[in-house]
Amino acid sequence: QVQLVQSGAEVKQPGASVKVSCKASGYTLTRYRLHWVRQAPGQRLEWMGYINSDSGQTAYSQTFQGRLTITRDTSASTAYLELNSLRSEDTALYYCTIQIGGNLYWGQGTLVTVSS
Amino acid sequence: QAVVTQEPSLTVSPGGTVTLTCGSSTGAVTSGHWPYWFQQKPGQVPRTLVYDATSRHPWTPARFSGSLLGGKAALTLSGAQPEDEAVYHCLLSYNSAWVFGGGTKLTVL
Repeated sequence: QVQLVQSGAEVKQPGASVKVSCKASGYTLTRYRLHWVRQAPGQRLEWMGYINSDSGQTAYSQTFQGRLTITRDTSASTAYLELNSLRSEDTALYYCTIQIGGNLYWGQGTLVTVSS
Repeated sequence: QAVVTQEPSLTVSPGGTVTLTCGSSTGAVTSGHWPYWFQQKPGQVPRTLVYDATSRHPWTPARFSGSLLGGKAALTLSGAQPEDEAVYHCLLSYNSAWVFGGGTKLTVL
């Protein structure tokens, strides 16, 4: 069955960068677009961007333009999110998710805490 | 960038009926926005209830139904149960970019 397993929680200082991984199993990574979504405490779900895992083409929300990079390693069936210039407002749960047949499959979430 | 709006909170009595809505700042919500509805309980990832505005999954209780109503996407719950208390999120697509609504906290009381 489809599974997305994310890397563990991170604590970062303001101004630093974070890289979160998402390992896919149960399906071929290159078949589907993979999205990243975050949820700050008590806030709405926020779409960050996606990667077409076959071509590597990406699209980003304007909110994160210039700070966000999404990549993938097809040989490792893993996608990555890297967010730079972290600030306290970036403290959130970060999810990878794919859309198959009208359903969204979610990773378990990675908590990123930005604090000095 | 579009803004998607939902009611921040709603209350329904057990056995009652309630409709949650999902609007777009760009105009009427249509099937071309491929509306999704998710249910999220504390500490859990969102669970898909409805996709493409009206389609349900096998795990979606029959008391939930999706529609397009008055220029918005709508999720109607008929015969609310205590276990339906949760936050409900809608998702609209704009040329492959996603925008989530703010979520509706539904209380069954």
